[in-house]
Amino acid sequence: QVQLQESGPGLVKPSETLSLTCTVSGGSISSYYWSWIRQPPGKGLEWIGYIYYSGSTNYNPSLKSRVTISVDTSKNQFSLKLSSVTAADTAVYYCARTPDYYMDVWGKGTTVTVSS
Amino acid sequence: AIRMTQSPSSFSASTGDRVTITCRASQGISSYLAWYQQKPGKAPKLLIYAASTLQSGVPSRFSGSGSGTDFTLTISCLQSEDFATYYCQQYYSYPLTFGQGTKVEIK
Repeated sequence: QVQLQESGPGLVKPSETLSLTCTVSGGSISSYYWSWIRQPPGKGLEWIGYIYYSGSTNYNPSLKSRVTISVDTSKNQFSLKLSSVTAADTAVYYCARTPDYYMDVWGKGTTVTVSS
Repeated sequence: AIRMTQSPSSFSASTGDRVTITCRASQGISSYLAWYQQKPGKAPKLLIYAASTLQSGVPSRFSGSGSGTDFTLTISCLQSEDFATYYCQQYYSYPLTFGQGTKVEIK
């Protein structure tokens, strides 16, 4: 079955760029949409955006100016870049398969802390 | 953005209880609604999509209903493994948005 695994630095300095990668195993990335979602400590879920394997994207307007999601089909991976981070970007970041704009398979999540 | 409001935010229940969680959308979303279960330190798990379609492998004690602006998630007979936080999510329009969550605790 399809599994997703997030990877990337757990600590990012303020004003720098957060970079995460999601590796898809057990299936091809060349179908479906693929999302990033985050969850600040003790809070709810926030959709960041998604990418289709062809490269088309859709971002949350609240983050759009700072977000870039890209895909590498040769590696079965998709990635998130969030620029100019602040402490408010501290969260658990999840990647997820998005078959019909809901999320049916999730990665375990990775904690990113923004701190100097 | 469509605002999703869940009620209650938390409540206590006992094993065997029938429980219902409500999710209200700030505007009509047809049946474009999903429900997730999240346990502490774990990723959310999809329970229901299209308001009432049970995801494969999810126990039949979970059910969903509603359309338009008002939706419910019902657990017919609460089990110990069901104590968790539940989220609704609309996918009628962008940005995709979640409710604030409903925490089901042990009485």
